[in-house]
Amino acid sequence: GQQLNQSPQSMFIQEGEDVSMNCTSSSIFNTWLWYKQDPGEGPVLLIALYKAGELTSNGRLTAQFGITRKDSFLNISASIPSDVGIYFCAGRYNNAGNMLTFGGGTRLMVKP
Amino acid sequence: GAVVSQHPSWVICKSGTSVKIECRSLDFQATTMFWYRQFPKQSLMLMATSNEGSKATYEQGVEKDKFLINHASLTLSTLTVTSAHPEDSSFYICSARETHYEQYFGPGTRLTVT
Repeated sequence: GQQLNQSPQSMFIQEGEDVSMNCTSSSIFNTWLWYKQDPGEGPVLLIALYKAGELTSNGRLTAQFGITRKDSFLNISASIPSDVGIYFCAGRYNNAGNMLTFGGGTRLMVKP
Repeated sequence: GAVVSQHPSWVICKSGTSVKIECRSLDFQATTMFWYRQFPKQSLMLMATSNEGSKATYEQGVEKDKFLINHASLTLSTLTVTSAHPEDSSFYICSARETHYEQYFGPGTRLTVT
């Protein structure tokens, strides 16, 4: 089945730094979504992308739908402590019904 | 908008008993609801998809007789873990989707089976 490779698996951030993470797929998607999950909570939708090449921002977050439809990236600018958490990419191919395929997640942590 | 609630947020039960988890869409009609399971430090694993009024579609490897899903209305779905065992301990998360909109997730339910 389809698989999403998300990288990096984890990273440390220092307040003020920019952060970048990405997802790649073995097959194409028609929709890319980015979610954030805090400990003990459900994922919260951050950004939705519906068109190849689309670049969308939500505050300090920017995400792009890759031209090949097999990848997406998420950037966080000027990170703050509350950015800590796990970020998941998810893709959907229309013929797969409503189902999402999730990446393995990127865990953001604060540098000690 | 697009708020999904789950109840309970955590539950501890004895091995062999059954546990019911409720998922509600509070401000929209959920034509489709999804149930996921998440182990520590892992991604979400889809267990089943249900459309209102229809039987749930289970993912490969998920026992439908063990994980009973009911989606009786456009705002409520329930997951019942029957004859729970310690290996069923996990974080269960539901999500709901209105036609033409994205999935919104509930806050999750942590199940511990002793």
